[in-house]
Amino acid sequence: DSGVTQTPKHLITATGQRVTLRCSPRSGDLSVYWYQQSLDQGLQFLIQYYNGEERAKGNILERFSAQQFPDLHSELNLSSLELGDSALYFCASSVSSVTEAFFGQGTRLTVV
Amino acid sequence: GIQVEQSPPDLILQEGANSTLRCNFSDSVNNLQWFHQNPWGQLINLFYIPSGTKQNGRLSATTVATERYSLLYISSSQTTDSGVYFCAVEAPSDGNQFYFGTGTSLTVIP
Repeated sequence: DSGVTQTPKHLITATGQRVTLRCSPRSGDLSVYWYQQSLDQGLQFLIQYYNGEERAKGNILERFSAQQFPDLHSELNLSSLELGDSALYFCASSVSSVTEAFFGQGTRLTVV
Repeated sequence: GIQVEQSPPDLILQEGANSTLRCNFSDSVNNLQWFHQNPWGQLINLFYIPSGTKQNGRLSATTVATERYSLLYISSSQTTDSGVYFCAVEAPSDGNQFYFGTGTSLTVIP
């Protein structure tokens, strides 16, 4: 157990819908990362937050947004879902951006 | 952004064999980690190794930061070692984004 908790583990939803994925980082970790893993594109960095503020942004679609709350948990919001958004979404946390990162078990999103 | 290349892309081993996986990166990094993604999709930390050498049981890793590569050694492989091995790096020149390589898919057969 990495100490990073992601909910839900599985999610099935229809095209056009909106979902929210939640991540609770390890105790004491200030940095949260979100990743998307699809079959054809590997692990893609989406966005990083550090102590509530956006720190780095990757190839995150405009339909996707994220935030980190004062209690340091983070949410990734995916809207206007398309079939191609089906993927495994990972959250990771670390004390800071240059220390070891630990990954949650992921949320498997299926858009039908 | 920084380029992270892993080789070989695929590897099939007989149980008990040894192997070396390589990760090359195109710029200086301040963070390098090796992960194992098991068949259930879980990403398991193996090593945090921005430089130097570490060992953990049958696994060891070496990063030569000045030459921009890292190696993961697996000795006496077991079927439970099967899965995909990823190298991931964080580069200060690239806004400290954490980039993953494309992985090495390892299959260990009994």
